[in-house]
Amino acid sequence: AQSVTQPDIHITVSEGASLELRCNYSYGATPYLFWYVQSPGQGLQLLLKYFSGDTLVQGIKGFEAEFKRSQSSFNLRKPSVHWSDAAEYFCAVGAGAAGNKLTFGGGTRVLVKP
Amino acid sequence: DARVTQTPRHKVTEMGQEVTMRCQPILGHNTVFWYRQTMMQGLELLAYFRNRAPLDDSGMPKDRFSAEMPDATLATLKIQPSEPRDSAVYFCASGLMQKGQATKQYFGPGTRLTVT
Repeated sequence: AQSVTQPDIHITVSEGASLELRCNYSYGATPYLFWYVQSPGQGLQLLLKYFSGDTLVQGIKGFEAEFKRSQSSFNLRKPSVHWSDAAEYFCAVGAGAAGNKLTFGGGTRVLVKP
Repeated sequence: DARVTQTPRHKVTEMGQEVTMRCQPILGHNTVFWYRQTMMQGLELLAYFRNRAPLDDSGMPKDRFSAEMPDATLATLKIQPSEPRDSAVYFCASGLMQKGQATKQYFGPGTRLTVT
């Protein structure tokens, strides 16, 4: 069965600084990989996804993620964080038909300092 | 701006009562997902439907949970009887499943269920 590990439960970053969120997955086949963001009291919003092709994926809100098969990782990055990026971020691996069965990591809560 | 809607947003009920949560997927989407989020278990996929037919409900406790799509504009998740351990936020998501592509899932705002 697939699994996702997000090693960092909380991250605090200063506004304007860079951000990197770690994600490691376990899956027997070529994975569908996703990053979602959840603001307090809200549902999840898709930031980006990887299915195949270029291993550096661009997403919304200035985020990007890099798929590294050798490390089973799909880390999320943003060069310069804005206060509005404070939220919880979830990495997910998709299994089944078209990667629809999502297994989520435990999430990383990001706090942005002024 | 098309959105997934869920009702109710909050529900407090007593143990043993039936709970029904509703979801209106985005018009034109052919796939609906139900998730549960708790502090202990995180986000878990309960079930999903394609073209109103259940494709996978392996994540759902069968004895008390049931999920249906009476029509293309309504998905329901029922718990009968409810138990305190069912307290969680239940999310519905919808998407357009197309051959060979990962479905982009659009999430609703969730139903926060508290069972006392």
